Amino acid sequence: GAVVSQHPSRVICKSGTSVKIECRSLDFQATTMFWYRQFPKQSLMLMATSNEGSKATYEQGVEKDKFLINHASLTLSTLTVTSAHPEDSSFYICSARGHGDYGYTFGSGTRLTVV
Amino acid sequence: AQSVTQLDSQVPVFEEAPVELRCNYSSSVSVYLFWYVQYPNQGLQLLLKYLSGSTLVKGINGFEAEFNKSQTSFHLRKPSVHISDTAEYFCAVSPFFYNQGGKLIFGQGTELSVKP
Repeated sequence: GAVVSQHPSRVICKSGTSVKIECRSLDFQATTMFWYRQFPKQSLMLMATSNEGSKATYEQGVEKDKFLINHASLTLSTLTVTSAHPEDSSFYICSARGHGDYGYTFGSGTRLTVV
Repeated sequence: AQSVTQLDSQVPVFEEAPVELRCNYSSSVSVYLFWYVQYPNQGLQLLLKYLSGSTLVKGINGFEAEFNKSQTSFHLRKPSVHISDTAEYFCAVSPFFYNQGGKLIFGQGTELSVKP
């Protein structure tokens, strides 16, 4: 079945630095990638949607200059948290979908801790 | 716009008992429906999905769900749960038509706790 590899699984960074999270679709072409954020004991909040080769569409309230999303190829999307602060600490999950496909494949998530 | 309401935030149940996790949705367009399971510090795993056809959908791990269009519900059931079913369960919907953006909208989640 479809697999999405997300790395790193855990990252600790210092306040003010940037962190990059990668999601790769291993056996299909991900025409659309979705990035979610999840706080403890809460649901997934959609941050942005990206289509390959296009600029990402951000949800209301999500700072596009802080959460940079790149979807340069059909198998790779990245989320960069710039100038991270402790309030950015969270669980980030990507999800990928192929063209004409109505299924969503999720990555295993990245636990970001900003100290 | 779509929204999803999971009616129970926590469901405690004894091992081998039946369980039902309730999900209602609201949408101005036709939708696809999904149930996902999430174990601690992991991503989401698809349990089952309803796209069309039979309203009773069977998924993995012995779970099934029934789509009820008139009640806009998609409740998840399992006749006999195991300790290993302890996890967070999410109901989700996405618009029927691909060109409507395809966003997957999640409910708040239901924590299923199976006790021996």
